[in-house]
Amino acid sequence: DGGITQSPKYLFRKEGQNVTLSCEQNLNHDAMYWYRQDPGQGLRLIYYSQIVNDFQKGDIAEGYSVSREKKESFPLTVTSAQKNPTAFYLCASKDTGEGREAFFGQGTRLTVV
Amino acid sequence: AQTVTQSQPEMSVQEAETVTLSCTYDTSESNYYLFWYKQPPSRQMILVIRQEAYKQQNATENRFSVNFQKAAKSFSLKISDSQLGDTAMYFCASPTSGSGGSNYKLTFGKGTLLTVNP
Repeated sequence: DGGITQSPKYLFRKEGQNVTLSCEQNLNHDAMYWYRQDPGQGLRLIYYSQIVNDFQKGDIAEGYSVSREKKESFPLTVTSAQKNPTAFYLCASKDTGEGREAFFGQGTRLTVV
Repeated sequence: AQTVTQSQPEMSVQEAETVTLSCTYDTSESNYYLFWYKQPPSRQMILVIRQEAYKQQNATENRFSVNFQKAAKSFSLKISDSQLGDTAMYFCASPTSGSGGSNYKLTFGKGTLLTVNP
C-alpha cells in the first residue's frame, strides 16, 4: 500500500539532546513537508523540499534541520537550539501537479523532558 | 504575509443538523486550489474537499460542500446531516508561493474543533 510512514509515534528525549524524526513515502511524490502542530496554533511549516538534494525553510525553521538525499525520505532533526521542542510533528508529501492534495503521515509526538 | 483565518476555534452541532465552518484566506497565486482537511482524534489528517479557484461551481463531496466566494477570499465548509464521526478538528488550507513562484506550500488555518452531539 502506498503511503507515508512516520516513526516513531512517540518519542522522548532529554533536554539538550538532538533527535531525528523519520519520514518515508512510497507515493513517488517530489515534494515533502514538515509541519509542527501545537494546541491553538494549527499547522506551521518547518521545512519543505521540492526535489532531492534541495530544501527550503518554512515559517519556523529555527532549531531544526533536514536532509533530502533520497526522494523517499525527508528526516527532520530537532536540535538542542530549538527552545520549545515538545510538540506533535506531521510529515506530508505532495505530487507537484496542479491541485494535488498533500498526504500526511500519522505524526510523531515528541516530548522533551 | 499570506494567511488563512478560521475565526471559530470551536463549534458544536446536533447530530443530523447542518453546520458551516468559515475560512478566509489571502493568496497572491493567480490560479489555485483550496482545501479542507479533517483531523479526527486519531490525529490522521484526511482530505475532505478541494475547490479550484477558477471554477464557478462550488465543490461537493457527499454531505460536504463549500461556499466559495473568490472576490471575498472566503471558503466556508458546510456539513449536512452531521454524524458523530464528523467530530474532529477541521483545517482550511491555501497555497502560498514557494521559492520558485510555484504553489508548493500549503498554509493552514488554526483550525476549528467541531463536536457533533448525539
